[in-house]
Amino acid sequence: DIQMTQSPPSLSAYLGDRVTITCQASQNIDKYIGWYQQKPGKPPRLLIRFTSRLESGIPTRFSGSGSGRDYSFSISNVESEDIASYYCLQYVKLPHTFGPGTKVELK
Amino acid sequence: EVQLVESGGGLEQPGRSLKLSCAASGFTFTNYYMTWVRQAPKKGLEWVATISTSGSRTYFPDSVRGRFTISRDNAQSSLFLQMNSLKSEDTATYYCTRQGLPGYNDWFAFWGQGTLVTVSS
Repeated sequence: DIQMTQSPPSLSAYLGDRVTITCQASQNIDKYIGWYQQKPGKPPRLLIRFTSRLESGIPTRFSGSGSGRDYSFSISNVESEDIASYYCLQYVKLPHTFGPGTKVELK
Repeated sequence: EVQLVESGGGLEQPGRSLKLSCAASGFTFTNYYMTWVRQAPKKGLEWVATISTSGSRTYFPDSVRGRFTISRDNAQSSLFLQMNSLKSEDTATYYCTRQGLPGYNDWFAFWGQGTLVTVSS
């Protein structure tokens, strides 16, 4: 199975900050990674697929990059509505595996 | 608009069975792989089961293989998860999800609101 190591587990940011979350796969995943946002009591919401492709309706302050085993997800100009947990997902091969998540809070 | 509505969750005793359902609408159901993902309370996300468009191929992680069965009724645009020999560690919110591209087992593009399964005596 492909393991996804996500960091940091949590972070605090000021409004307007840029924050970055990383995911490292245990093997090459050929850019088959997605990023999800989850707010308390809600289902996850897909933000980005295939490393950097923003889903329709997702603000451009969200972005992704990476290749091989190493990937990152960024939020520029953090807004209050971005306070949530974020998960990466590799879908290059079964079992599809998620990272453990990153909780983004406001300072 | 894609809609996925789960039902069938509740409280069940260890060793018993439970069947979840998911009613899909807003897309051509027969064209997409479908998946169940679960989330234990205050925990992360775990892939549980995937089924191909026709239902001929199913996939499970080791944690549920042999206990859970996934099926679909394409005529009724419905997805099911039969959970047998339930364990306390199966306690979670179960989400019905649809894959992204027709005919591909790829990312989980759309999610239902989830149904809570509690396994406890």
